[in-house]
Amino acid sequence: ETGVTQTPRHLVMGMTNKKSLKCEQHLGHNAMYWYKQSAKKPLELMFVYSLEERVENNSVPSRFSPECPNSSHLFLHLHTLQPEDSALYLCASSQDRTVDPAFFGQGTRLTVV
Amino acid sequence: GQQVMQIPQYQHVQEGEDFTTYCNSSTTLSNIQWYKQRPGGHPVFLIQLVKSGEVKKQKRLTFQFGEAKKNSSLHITATQTTDVGTYFCAGHRGSTLGRLYFGRGTQLTVWP
Repeated sequence: ETGVTQTPRHLVMGMTNKKSLKCEQHLGHNAMYWYKQSAKKPLELMFVYSLEERVENNSVPSRFSPECPNSSHLFLHLHTLQPEDSALYLCASSQDRTVDPAFFGQGTRLTVV
Repeated sequence: GQQVMQIPQYQHVQEGEDFTTYCNSSTTLSNIQWYKQRPGGHPVFLIQLVKSGEVKKQKRLTFQFGEAKKNSSLHITATQTTDVGTYFCAGHRGSTLGRLYFGRGTQLTVWP
């Protein structure tokens, strides 16, 4: 599947590092999302962008900083993370955020050491 | 609190047995969607239901949306080892926020 592409697929970072996750969608969708998936927890919505404007920030700590330079690209900038932030970070996109299904990227498996 | 409840959390079946997962919302949904996540993979969209009482089929999979648009079910007939994975339901609440509420998922294991 090449509709939504995430890089890197795996990332190990120290607590003092700064890194960025990248997401690119080739579906012409208007909305993009960041989700966090931890073991034994439901999918947690982090951020929603619609037409490059952030429309939702779901009480996410400031050590996570999203950026949406255009409707096809989404970044998640990470700094001074904690070990409990280790998880699978999923990017998704949809045509209309109020009614349409989400198409997910393959995710970035993040480990904070 | 959890907006969409999904049960069971885990289900182990022998190949050939049927499987059902249930999804219940505390509020009326404008639609219900189902996703499948294979082990080590990412959620993949399966289907969307919109109408009250709607039933859709995909080969051995049958999806239902309740009359009140608050519950849904996914039934798999004669499971196969390729059905292994976690099945998530998700729904929109019809507001302008556009948030998609996901259930916790049902993890299906199929023994050969």
